[in-house]
Amino acid sequence: EVQLVESGGGLVKPGGSLSVSCAASGFTFSNAWMSWVRQAPGKGLEWVGRIRSELDGGTTEYAAPVKGRFTISRDDSKNTLYLQMNSLKIEDTAVYYCATGTRGSPDWGQGTLVTVSS
Amino acid sequence: DIQMTQSPSTLSASVGDRVTITCRASQSISSWLAWSQQKPGKAPKVLIYKASSLESGVPSRFSGSGSGTEFTLTISSLQPDDFATYYCQQYNTYWAFGQGTKVEIK
Repeated sequence: EVQLVESGGGLVKPGGSLSVSCAASGFTFSNAWMSWVRQAPGKGLEWVGRIRSELDGGTTEYAAPVKGRFTISRDDSKNTLYLQMNSLKIEDTAVYYCATGTRGSPDWGQGTLVTVSS
Repeated sequence: DIQMTQSPSTLSASVGDRVTITCRASQSISSWLAWSQQKPGKAPKVLIYKASSLESGVPSRFSGSGSGTEFTLTISSLQPDDFATYYCQQYNTYWAFGQGTKVEIK
């Protein structure tokens, strides 16, 4: 069974930085393309970005609102996905989910809340 | 970028009603379309993947159809547990989501 467990969310001031992580199990993490998706309070789902498997180059893509501020990385030895968020804005306040479509259907973690407020 | 347009945004229905939600992609996504249900404070729960495949454990009253750019989620007989928000999602290239459909009690 695919399990994705996010951690590291919290309260951060505008302009600050925060890193969240996602521990994966139940599938071959090193072969999987992984994504981050966020959901602002009362809003819909928004794709943040993704990282390919190392076999497929390990490259990343980002949505326009976060490009240049957020960085996705992975540690296949630890089966862990990371999202480094810099220059945070109030509008980045959201629940951040890690997700994968590695088995042909999307699988989601439970999410971690990031609040950007002074 | 592929845009997903979902309708309606809100739907009022009664228990036992047949409910249909539609989703349109701005370009062909083949069958890389999932439908998810979300309740407040919870992560999305995938109901349908690859446009028409029922996720394990999901009741058979849920069904999906379509390919290319036009997709439909149907709930054959709405149950009390089905009042929630539903999202379509393309996962052909970058992921993209419809705006959501809130199914409310009539």
